[in-house]
Amino acid sequence: EVQLVESGGGLVQPGGSLRLSCSASGFSFSSLWMHWVRQAPGKGLVWISQITGDGSITTYADSVKGRFTISRDNAKNTLYLQMNSLRAEDTAVYYCARGGIGTEIDYWGQGTLVTVSS
Amino acid sequence: DIVMTQTPLSSPVTLGQPASISCRSSQSLVHSDGNTYLNWLQQRPGQPPTLLIYKISNRFSGVPDRFSGSGAGTDFTLKISRVEAEDVGVYYCTQAKQFPYTFGQGTKLEIK
Repeated sequence: EVQLVESGGGLVQPGGSLRLSCSASGFSFSSLWMHWVRQAPGKGLVWISQITGDGSITTYADSVKGRFTISRDNAKNTLYLQMNSLRAEDTAVYYCARGGIGTEIDYWGQGTLVTVSS
Repeated sequence: DIVMTQTPLSSPVTLGQPASISCRSSQSLVHSDGNTYLNWLQQRPGQPPTLLIYKISNRFSGVPDRFSGSGAGTDFTLKISRVEAEDVGVYYCTQAKQFPYTFGQGTKLEIK
């Protein structure tokens, strides 16, 4: 059974940093792309970042480029999102998601809430 | 970026009746590999999204056959043949043809 479990969310002040983790199990983690997608309270879904299976290629949405860094540790089956220079508009539930055999996102974690506020 | 536009944004439906959601993309979703990367997600209240349909019309594992997808190019449709109470939630179309992946605004399915 595919499982994705996020952690690391919480309350942070504007300008602060936070590191999210996503522990994956039930599949060959190193073989597949992974993504982060966020959802502001009461709003829709916004894709923010992707990383290839070997971690060699990363892609970002313009809204987070230069502030967020996606990475993975295939030995630990864990995906990360380092978030720096956080802004109020980064407040959202952050979902870890698996890339499928094609390009689709096929499994989603339960999400972790990040609140940026003073 | 590819803009995804869904209609309607809200859909009150009677139990047992059909429902239909439309999605239009601002450019063709046909990839150079010949596939069309248009997917549909369901998000039940308080839950993360789940994949319903991928590449226009392929039901994901465990998805009931009352859900079907169709379309081509830039115009796509999700249909539910007979709505059940568990279908309440928000439905999103999403393109995975190119980065950034983008999503429609979401269509809220409610029971009348």
